[in-house]
Amino acid sequence: QKEVEQDPGPLSVPEGAIVSLNCTYSNSAFQYFMWYRQYSRKGPELLMYTYSSGNKEDGRFTAQVDKSSKYISLFIRDSQPSDSATYLCAMTRRDDKIIFGKGTRLHILP
Amino acid sequence: DTAVSQTPKYLVTQMGNDKSIKCEQNLGHDTMYWYKQDSKKFLKIMFSYNNKELIINETVPNRFSPKSPDKAHLNLHINSLELGDSAVYFCASSQSGRGAETQYFGPGTRLLVL
Repeated sequence: QKEVEQDPGPLSVPEGAIVSLNCTYSNSAFQYFMWYRQYSRKGPELLMYTYSSGNKEDGRFTAQVDKSSKYISLFIRDSQPSDSATYLCAMTRRDDKIIFGKGTRLHILP
Repeated sequence: DTAVSQTPKYLVTQMGNDKSIKCEQNLGHDTMYWYKQDSKKFLKIMFSYNNKELIINETVPNRFSPKSPDKAHLNLHINSLELGDSAVYFCASSQSGRGAETQYFGPGTRLLVL
């Protein structure tokens, strides 16, 4: 089993819909959970960061971590065409390398 | 005012050649990284340097040799290029190298080996 599993998509949703992106992981030692957004032909950029379990909200974005299920989610409300990108989940222990998921390609249809 | 820059942006070369990619960051960070992103978008760390010292060296062929002349620069030299080396190579930096820190990525170097 890979350390981090993420459905590559593509995921196409109409503008205004709620988007749900997910990752599962196998290493229970992971404590820090991140979502990076990568636009086409650009480098990834940090979107959301969460420590341990719980929810974190930033504008239209909500990151959720369920350590008991080893499952993390990113929700995008009122999705916009500008949200079209690849979303990579990432996770790590405190002083270790980051492990990235394969990324989910998201298309928001106008 | 680019935070992490890479040159060149595109690199097309023949199998067997040797090539270098350069990276510079102006964020004052201590740690720099090289990542490889394959055609399926899988992003995997190759190396990291903290203040010119090699910290992470993943299972990468020894044809790949990173060099950090100072903490603002991390270059990647690749000998005897192979078809499988075709990918996008990203440089990144972070403040001190702790895994939980934000990493800032460059725009990538698209390498195509023919």
